[in-house]
Formats: sequence, C-alpha cells, structure tokens
Amino acid sequence: GAVVSQHPSRVICKSGTSVKIECRSLDFQATTMFWYRQFPKQSLMLMATSNEGSKATYEQGVEKDKFLINHASLTLSTLTVTSAHPEDSSFYICSGRGRGNYNEQFFGPGTRLTVL
Amino acid sequence: DAKTTQPPSMDCAEGRAANLPCNHSTISGNEYVYWYRQIHSQGPQYIIHGLKNNETNEMASLIITEDRKSSTLILPHATLRDTAVYYCIVLRQGGKLIFGQGTELSVKP
Repeated sequence: GAVVSQHPSRVICKSGTSVKIECRSLDFQATTMFWYRQFPKQSLMLMATSNEGSKATYEQGVEKDKFLINHASLTLSTLTVTSAHPEDSSFYICSGRGRGNYNEQFFGPGTRLTVL
Repeated sequence: DAKTTQPPSMDCAEGRAANLPCNHSTISGNEYVYWYRQIHSQGPQYIIHGLKNNETNEMASLIITEDRKSSTLILPHATLRDTAVYYCIVLRQGGKLIFGQGTELSVKP
C-alpha cells in the first residue's frame, strides 16, 4: 500500500503554546486528506477533511479556529493545534486518499501529543 | 453511511483461523464493506474491501452474505502479530471512514 508519514511522532509542549503536525504522502498524490484524533482506549474520531487547495471541512464539535488545517499541496497537509491545553493531549492520525481511489485511505503512523 | 455492529473482543489460538463477524443490516446497494485494523499505538492498516462478491488477498478473505447484511473477515492462519483492533466500516464511494469500536482480537500462543 501507499505510504504516509507524520512528523513529529511524539511532541510534548506547554499549555498555551501551538503545535504543528505534518502529514506527507510519500508515493502518491493525496487529493483528500483526513485528520483523526484518538483518546486512550477509544476509537478514532474524524476531525476534518481537506481537499488540496480548499478549506478544510470540520466535523461537528471540532473547533476550526483551534485546529488549523492546511492542505497546500498534493503531498502535504498540516494540523496546527493552537493554544494547546492538557485536554488536547491525544493521538493524532492523518490519512490520505488519492485520485481515483475513492475509498482507500492510507494512514500515517500517528503523532502523540502531550500538553503539560 | 450504514452503521456496523461487531463483538467487542475475541480470542484466537495462534495458527488457527480467526473469523471476525460484522453486522451491517442497513447497508445500501452502493455501499462497500471495508476492513481496517489498528495495532496498538499505530495508524490503521487497510486489510480488504468488497461490495457483493467474496474477496481474498494476501492478508485475509472477506465473506459477504448474499443479502449483504453481514460479513466475516477471515485471517486464515492467525499469528501473534495479528493481535489488533479490527474495524468493519461500511461506506459509499467517496465517503468518509467513520470508525466504530471494532473488535479487539487477541491471538494467543
């Protein structure tokens, strides 16, 4: 399957700071990228969907001003958690879907965010 | 997209077949059945998908009932590395993958 990378794999930050997570599709062009969040012992929760060059569409209950998503190219999407607080500590996972692969999504390895 | 129901957990002996059931009684004619798995602290991994016919690949087989209201994922010879949470997801083309609680499969020696 296609490869998606995420950077960093782990990040610890202080409350009130912003954190940027990168998601890259390494061997395919991801026309659509998705961002998920996963709390311990829970399933993945879809946060937002972004198409290259367009504004992201956020799921209900996800604050778009807090979780800034940029999908400026077909191989890169970024998620910025602004003014992070301890309750934002979670496992953030991105995935990409290529043109023509209507449903196959390829997931990154995830980023563990800890806010102190 | 249709909802799915899966048992929360299952055990399987190493080397034996693991059969993971999924109910999707409200599936529509244009919706596919997808299976993903997530090994602890990793991103989900695609396993297999199907529409009507049974499917097989190098990882698993997918058996879909004739009425499409349920399906079974079969791992023919489970290994310890198959221990993971398995997600059955139903969605139409172009839809979003929405994860339920899945089945936590434990493969035991």
